[in-house]
Amino acid sequence: KAGVTQTPRYLIKTRGQQVTLSCSPISGHRSVSWYQQTPGQGLQFLFEYFSETQRNKGNFPGRFSGRQFSNSRSEMNVSTLELGDSALYLCASNPGSSPGMNTEAFFGQGTRLTVV
Amino acid sequence: GESVGLHLPTLSVQEGDNSIINCAYSNSASDYFIWYKQESGKGPQFIIDIRSNMDKRQGQRVTVLLNKTVKHLSLQIAATQPGDSAVYFCAERRNAGNMLTFGGGTRLMVKP
Repeated sequence: KAGVTQTPRYLIKTRGQQVTLSCSPISGHRSVSWYQQTPGQGLQFLFEYFSETQRNKGNFPGRFSGRQFSNSRSEMNVSTLELGDSALYLCASNPGSSPGMNTEAFFGQGTRLTVV
Repeated sequence: GESVGLHLPTLSVQEGDNSIINCAYSNSASDYFIWYKQESGKGPQFIIDIRSNMDKRQGQRVTVLLNKTVKHLSLQIAATQPGDSAVYFCAERRNAGNMLTFGGGTRLMVKP
């Protein structure tokens, strides 16, 4: 069974540009979450999508957005990039659908975004 | 490799010893907890989980203990091996859905 696939692995962008990152979850998983990882702030939750709907949202500015397609693949977009957006962006795939289900999230290898 | 934390607390142990990594969580309403291992250049990898109605769970060479009274979680690794060297994160789930809140991480270094 293929794992979580994130593309691209590495990206360099200039301040002010926008970027789109992609995540393909494990086959059959309907929940996709996005996290930002930086040395200073650690792992922080961005948002979660389930069945093409945003189910949870973290405390990030509106420049960060996402979406999910009918095949469960997800994209996240960051507009008007700032130097502080440089981070490892991780996607997590989860089979759990109902709130009472306790299932672990499976992470991809991440996309390393560098803003210069 | 990827830098996951320049100033993480570090636990250094001798190969073959047992390791204990601790984590404090903040929300008494959290109902599910997970330990992840992250190696350089990789995403977090699931190690073991525990539900809030349990206080102990064992896996292969790993045990997680949950103390809800003091909101404390620990990961015990038996017979630590060089391959266990990584950063370890605890995570808690606080609400419906799959949003996880992560601790700051602990770097485990295993000396041969």
